[in-house]
Amino acid sequence: DTAVSQTPKYLVTQMGNDKSIKCEQNLGHDTMYWYKQDSKKFLKIMFSYNNKELIINETVPNRFSPKSPDKAHLNLHINSLELGDSAVYFCASSQATANSPLHFGNGTRLTVT
Amino acid sequence: DAKTTQPPSMDCAEGRAANLPCNHSTISGNEYVYWYRQIHSQGPQYIIHGLKNNETNEMASLIITEDRKSSTLILPHATLRDTAVYYCIVRAYSGGGADGLTFGKGTHLIIQP
Repeated sequence: DTAVSQTPKYLVTQMGNDKSIKCEQNLGHDTMYWYKQDSKKFLKIMFSYNNKELIINETVPNRFSPKSPDKAHLNLHINSLELGDSAVYFCASSQATANSPLHFGNGTRLTVT
Repeated sequence: DAKTTQPPSMDCAEGRAANLPCNHSTISGNEYVYWYRQIHSQGPQYIIHGLKNNETNEMASLIITEDRKSSTLILPHATLRDTAVYYCIVRAYSGGGADGLTFGKGTHLIIQP
């Protein structure tokens, strides 16, 4: 049973397109996150959602918009894709407490050409 | 900025214990120490976490010094599959919801056959 699942695993698209990455968790967690890992392998948090409310937005361009239809899903929509958006995007979830580990998905590798 | 300091890389012989150090001299009283690892480009994998006491699970042991300014992750019998980047993370808690994890550069642990 996959705890945190992301789709698609790979996404290749052209500059200027709009794309979405989906994330679902079946752990009953109330907080979900999106991370970006660039070519230098640095993992950086983008967003977190707690009970459908945005908690963190770490200087991410407004072309990126998280959408959470319910507690189990946090999708990432990206408008007007740029070359610099190429990266691996990871979804994660946890309970809203510092004592609750984050569980990560296996990532979506986005390539913008 | 990450609140931890780790060596950039370490080697360990297969079958031996791998001891990964981490300094977190500015840790606050309510902050947990988390350890994650990332194997190649997979999603970060939770290993263990603790607040004050030493912790042990099926994967590893976590030793936290009495002053909480440093910790050591111990993999008791390292295998080739343990080759990965290991991240030591101090987790803040905002009170309104859980903050995510702030990843640093980690330690690249290489298990030698």
